[in-house]
Amino acid sequence: DIQMTQSPSAMSASVGDRVTITCRASQGISNNLAWFQQKPGKAPKRLIYAAATLQSGVPSRFSGGGSGTEFFLTISSLQPEDFATYYCLQHNGSPYTFGQGTKLEIK
Amino acid sequence: EVQLLESGGGLVQPGGSLRLSCAASGFTFSSQAMSWVRQPPGKGLEWVSGISDGGDGAYYADTVKGRFTISRDNSKNTLFLQMNSLRPDDTAVYYCANRWWLEAWGQGTLVTVSS
Repeated sequence: DIQMTQSPSAMSASVGDRVTITCRASQGISNNLAWFQQKPGKAPKRLIYAAATLQSGVPSRFSGGGSGTEFFLTISSLQPEDFATYYCLQHNGSPYTFGQGTKLEIK
Repeated sequence: EVQLLESGGGLVQPGGSLRLSCAASGFTFSSQAMSWVRQPPGKGLEWVSGISDGGDGAYYADTVKGRFTISRDNSKNTLFLQMNSLRPDDTAVYYCANRWWLEAWGQGTLVTVSS
C-alpha cells in the first residue's frame, strides 16, 4: 500500500501569512493527488486535484504542485476562513490513502 | 448541482450488520465511480471502498476487506455499503463521494458500534 506522510501535523499562523503543507508518497503516484479542507462538523471540501488544478470556486490564494512523490499545498495569504484541517489524498492505486492531516490554527 | 445524501447509520452491537445508502442527484450517476470514506470521532479520514461506474470493479481498504461490500443501483441513483461483522473501531462518520478523486461529498452518517 502507498503511505502518505503529511507535514506538519499542526501549525499556527497569522492572517496574511504564507503557509505550505507537504505530502510525501512512499512510491511514485504521478499527479494523482488531491487536497481537501475540512472545518469542524463539516464534510471535507476538495480544493485541488491532479496535484495542481484549482477546484472551481476555490480562491486563487490556494495553489498546489509537485509530482511523483513530493507534493505541496500553499496558501499565499491566510484569511480567517482558512483556519481548518487539510488532508492530501493519493488516488493512484487501491487502496487510496490520505495523509494524517494538518490542523492550521490561528496564532 | 451534485447532491449526495447518506442514510442508514445508527447504533449497532459488535458483530452486527448495517447497510448504508447514498442517494445521488445532480449528475449522471451511472457514468461516475463512487467511494465511501470514514472518519472516526476526532481522527483523520480513511478511504474505505470504491466502485466503478458500471459496478464491475470494487476495491476495499485492508481494514474492511472481507467484511464490507460496496454496491450500486444505477437505475435508482443509489450507492450502498453493506457492513458485516462490525467492530468498535468501525465507529465513524461515513461519507459517500463521487469520482475516484472524491470531487463532492455528502454530509455523512454516523455509525456507532458499541454494546
